[in-house]
Amino acid sequence: ELKVEQNPLFLSMQEGKNYTIYCNYSTTSDRLYWYRQDPGKSLESLFVLLSNGAVKQEGRLMASLDTKARLSTLHITAAVHDLSATYFCAADGDSGYALNFGKGTSLLVTP
Amino acid sequence: KAGVTQTPRYLIKTRGQQVTLSCSPISGHRSVSWYQQTPGQGLQFLFEYFSETQRNKGNFPGRFSGRQFSNSRSEMNVSTLELGDSALYLCASSSTSGAYNEQFFGPGTRLTVL
Repeated sequence: ELKVEQNPLFLSMQEGKNYTIYCNYSTTSDRLYWYRQDPGKSLESLFVLLSNGAVKQEGRLMASLDTKARLSTLHITAAVHDLSATYFCAADGDSGYALNFGKGTSLLVTP
Repeated sequence: KAGVTQTPRYLIKTRGQQVTLSCSPISGHRSVSWYQQTPGQGLQFLFEYFSETQRNKGNFPGRFSGRQFSNSRSEMNVSTLELGDSALYLCASSSTSGAYNEQFFGPGTRLTVL
């Protein structure tokens, strides 16, 4: 059974600090997706990582993928309050049609 | 381009009733997936449709069903509602024309079962 595990599940950090969210997955799929969800809202696609060594950056967020280790990271640089949200990683299921999500990391950025 | 739309946005039902949720994908997207989100179980895959065919189904009881129409719009139905069916139901669409499965999510339908 495919498992996607994120850690930490809760993260409180100060503005201006850096931190990394980790996502381990058990599938052999080499595609990994990151989403953001604001309270009461839907999921917004952040990054699609398609191959080993892939790195993508958008603003203060940078995602990377190591398929050999089956590990993806989401690095937050100089956090600001607007980044407060829940971040999910997801991997393709065995069929390729379903996304299997981690439990999500609830991020709170405080002054 | 308009995003994924879902109707209704909120529903309140009682146990034993049935409910139908609707999803319109992004124009040109032929794959529609449904997910259930609850605080306890997180995001769980329900099923996926492409060209009116169900290609994959998650681990949910038969009370959960769906269908897709020729215009790619999709509906899901839950019969004999239980309290545990209270959740946010999210629909996502994907173009499937590329080598990956980036899914774009709608705003969701919040179902409350009393």
